[in-house]
Amino acid sequence: GENVEQHPSTLSVQEGDSAVIKCTYSDSASNYFPWYKQELGKGPQLIIDIRSNVGEKKDQRIAVTLNKTAKHFSLHITETQPEDSAVYFCAAFSSGGSYIPTFGRGTSLIVHP
Amino acid sequence: NAGVTQTPKFRILKIGQSMTLQCTQDMNHNYMYWYRQDPGMGLKLIYYSVGAGITDKGEVPNGYNVSRSTTEDFPLRLELAAPSQTSVYFCASSYSQEFYNEQFFGPGTRLTVL
Repeated sequence: GENVEQHPSTLSVQEGDSAVIKCTYSDSASNYFPWYKQELGKGPQLIIDIRSNVGEKKDQRIAVTLNKTAKHFSLHITETQPEDSAVYFCAAFSSGGSYIPTFGRGTSLIVHP
Repeated sequence: NAGVTQTPKFRILKIGQSMTLQCTQDMNHNYMYWYRQDPGMGLKLIYYSVGAGITDKGEVPNGYNVSRSTTEDFPLRLELAAPSQTSVYFCASSYSQEFYNEQFFGPGTRLTVL
C-alpha cells in the first residue's frame, strides 16, 4: 500500500518568514495530493491540492509543488502570519484499486509574532 | 448548509461498553469516511462508503462497524470498547473519489475508554 512520510514534525518560524513542509510518497499510481490545515479542536480543512498532471499550483501566499519522478511534494507558505499556526497534513490518493487516501503524520507550524 | 456534523463531541466509555458515533452530511455527497486520529499521528482510515448500502474496510477496521442506509448518515459503531480505541474520530464526506476529491471533515468526537 501507499506510504506517506512528512517532515518536519515541528516547524517554528518568525512572522514574515517562509515555511516549507515536505512529503514523500511510495505509490507511483498516486495522482492527487491535498494539503489540510487543522486548527486546535477542529477538523482538517483543505487549503490547497495538486494533481499529478501539474507541477506547481499557487493560491495567494500558499503554493504546492510536485515532483513525480522523485515522488515528493511540498507546501510553501510565504509571509507567514500568526494565524497560520496550526497542524498541516499532506495526503496522497492512489488511482490504483480502491482510491483511498493515505495521510502524513502532520507538521505543527508555529509562527511567532 | 451545515456541512458534516458529528455527535457527540466528547464521550467517556468503560471497557466493554458499546456506543455509536453519529455522522450526517447535507451536501448530497456520495462518499463518506471515518478516520481516527491519535496524538502525533496522521489520520487513519477506519471505514468508508461510496454510496447508500455500500461500505468497505479501510486501514484499521478491527473493533468497528458501519452502516449506510441513507446518503446523509454514516454511523460508526463500537461494540466492545477497548482502551486502544481512545482517540479522536473524524467523519468526512466528498462528492466523488476521483473527479472532485475535496473531503469535508466534521468537528470530531473525542472518545476516552477507561
